[in-house]
Amino acid sequence: GAGVSQTPSNKVTEKGKYVELRCDPISGHTALYWYRQSLGQGPEFLIYFQGTGAADDSGLPNDRFFAVRPEGSVSTLKIQRTERGDSAVYLCASGEWGRGYTFGSGTRLTVV
Amino acid sequence: EDKVVQSPLSLVVHEGDTVTLNCSYEVTNFRSLLWYKQEKKAPTFLFMLTSSGIEKKSGRLSSILDKKELFSILNITATQTGDSAIYLCAVSVQTQGAQKLVFGQGTRLTINP
Repeated sequence: GAGVSQTPSNKVTEKGKYVELRCDPISGHTALYWYRQSLGQGPEFLIYFQGTGAADDSGLPNDRFFAVRPEGSVSTLKIQRTERGDSAVYLCASGEWGRGYTFGSGTRLTVV
Repeated sequence: EDKVVQSPLSLVVHEGDTVTLNCSYEVTNFRSLLWYKQEKKAPTFLFMLTSSGIEKKSGRLSSILDKKELFSILNITATQTGDSAIYLCAVSVQTQGAQKLVFGQGTRLTINP
């Protein structure tokens, strides 16, 4: 596609529920990142994929968070047993090494 | 721990003014420094800097990197209301065979007419 597409753009869920956030990167981009941005803060790294494998998942805050990219294109960030503290904008970016990364418009997750 | 610090956190100026945004960093395995503009949700890419002392310019925006003093500045001249946004500085670092971006908190710039 022309840009990085993230769905849904907004998600409201109840505490304790499971959510999935989807990222469709720019076609051909092998690198894919997930970031989380809380209000008034810069984006915080969660996980990086190079192709299908998670090359660095050191930013995932705990084992309730998991991400996959089974075919090296679309990625899904999965959050189990959501907590109010998970509320944030979740940003996805794709790119090539040595170049600037292109971000999607993000998913605003609100846990009530 | 890798750290990127931006200043000021917030800045309000009048249309036509010139502004300078600051970014300092302390990281291991530095690869490059990037500036992004964030108006709603998606940060949009402005510059990537890898070499010290070489100014990058795009219209009224320019940026330069000092790898000895570990900082970068972003200048905006003749500001317009459309420049109002959050400006994010990020440093690309090498980790575990990958590169990732470490962001600062951002500078919220407001341009008043």
